[in-house]
Amino acid sequence: EAGVTQFPSHSVIEKGQTVTLRCDPISGHDNLYWYRRVMGKEIKFLLHFVKESKQDESGMPNNRFLAERTGGTYSTLKVQPAELEDSGVYFCASSQASGQNTQYFGPGTRLTVL
Amino acid sequence: DQQVKQNSPSLSVQEGRISILNCDYTNSMFDYFLWYKKYPAEGPTFLISISSIKDKNEDGRFTVFLNKSAKHLSLHIVPSQPGDSAVYFCAATRDDSWGKLQFGAGTQVVVTP
Repeated sequence: EAGVTQFPSHSVIEKGQTVTLRCDPISGHDNLYWYRRVMGKEIKFLLHFVKESKQDESGMPNNRFLAERTGGTYSTLKVQPAELEDSGVYFCASSQASGQNTQYFGPGTRLTVL
Repeated sequence: DQQVKQNSPSLSVQEGRISILNCDYTNSMFDYFLWYKKYPAEGPTFLISISSIKDKNEDGRFTVFLNKSAKHLSLHIVPSQPGDSAVYFCAATRDDSWGKLQFGAGTQVVVTP
């Protein structure tokens, strides 16, 4: 069974540009989470989908970030326009159910905004 | 507002000895705690967890201890092996938060020969 995959693995863009990150969860996992780790600090929650619905988006930094999960399969996270402080590693995780179910993480996308 | 804290950014331990990683939390509503392990260029991998109704959970070489009154948990790795060299993240969640994990900043463990 394939794990969580993320694309691209690394993205370098200039301030003001747009970037779209993609996450493919484990097949059959209804729950999909986005997290971000900035400059070696803690991994911070961004948002949570249950199927195609946003269950919790309390961690989204501001309205420059837009996440979608059309059809309840893969998810995209778009940053428009990107700012320097958006640099970091963006992780996606999925689980069969929410709550105390194990979340399986993808390898992350390293975003560098110059 | 960081509710999960790992105050030791790094730990060096000799192969065969015990590694002890510590984690403190401030939110008394957390009821489930996890440890994740992360290698470079990979995502975090689940290691072990503990419910707030327990004070100890063991899985092979890994044991997690929970002290609710002190809002403190620790991970013991015995014996430490070179493959254990990684960053270890402590995480916590609440039953009513739909699995939202709150992480500490991580502890880099280096196991030396």
